[in-house]
Amino acid sequence: QSALTQPASVSGSPGQSITISCTGSSSDVGGYNSVSWYQQHPGKAPQLMIYDVSNRPSGVSNRFSGSKSGNTASLTISGLQAEDEADYYCNSYTTSSTWVFGGGTKVTVL
Amino acid sequence: QLQLQESGPGLVKPSETLSLTCTVSGGSLTSSSYYWDWIRQPPGKGLEWIASINYNGNRYYNPSLKSRVTISVDTSENQFSLKLKSVTAADTAVYYCARELGSTSNYFDYWGQGTLVTVSS
Repeated sequence: QSALTQPASVSGSPGQSITISCTGSSSDVGGYNSVSWYQQHPGKAPQLMIYDVSNRPSGVSNRFSGSKSGNTASLTISGLQAEDEADYYCNSYTTSSTWVFGGGTKVTVL
Repeated sequence: QLQLQESGPGLVKPSETLSLTCTVSGGSLTSSSYYWDWIRQPPGKGLEWIASINYNGNRYYNPSLKSRVTISVDTSENQFSLKLKSVTAADTAVYYCARELGSTSNYFDYWGQGTLVTVSS
């Protein structure tokens, strides 16, 4: 199974909105609503930010939102803050009953 | 509060078998709603899903690793384990254990802190 495709890096100024894309296929992203997003700060374990395409776990800021169109899922961070600087990974369930991650996107707050 | 803790050798020689255990505290492995997973991350690289298992022993493996990986569960100890045989330097990574919600929703909600395993002679 091939990794989902994410941009290597995305940047924005404080207060701006940024969007990270995650492109797969009809065998993963396009075929299931089991798409999730994880934030990872250096040296830390990943943390769930979005599940089932667009749902936020309790405790996650409403500045984070998710969506999906066809084989591409997206994570939007609005009102960008310094603490949002981290790596972000998308993840999808697949037709093989397995999981696949994206390659990761480094978010830089300018 | 659920906690997961990985344990095992930090250094493994090439061609040998990597063995890790994840101890779950604050909750039970025997809930039918969950799977228990291993995920790894080579230094400076992205996440790679390795395998998952539930309390009944239903297993799923990453096709690219399937021939070398075994995942198992010990409900009496509230632990699950990973074995990866014939390791090479490419298997050097931080290995995470995680809980997967596997019902109508599917995602990894709890993660261990990760343990670095280096493959080197």
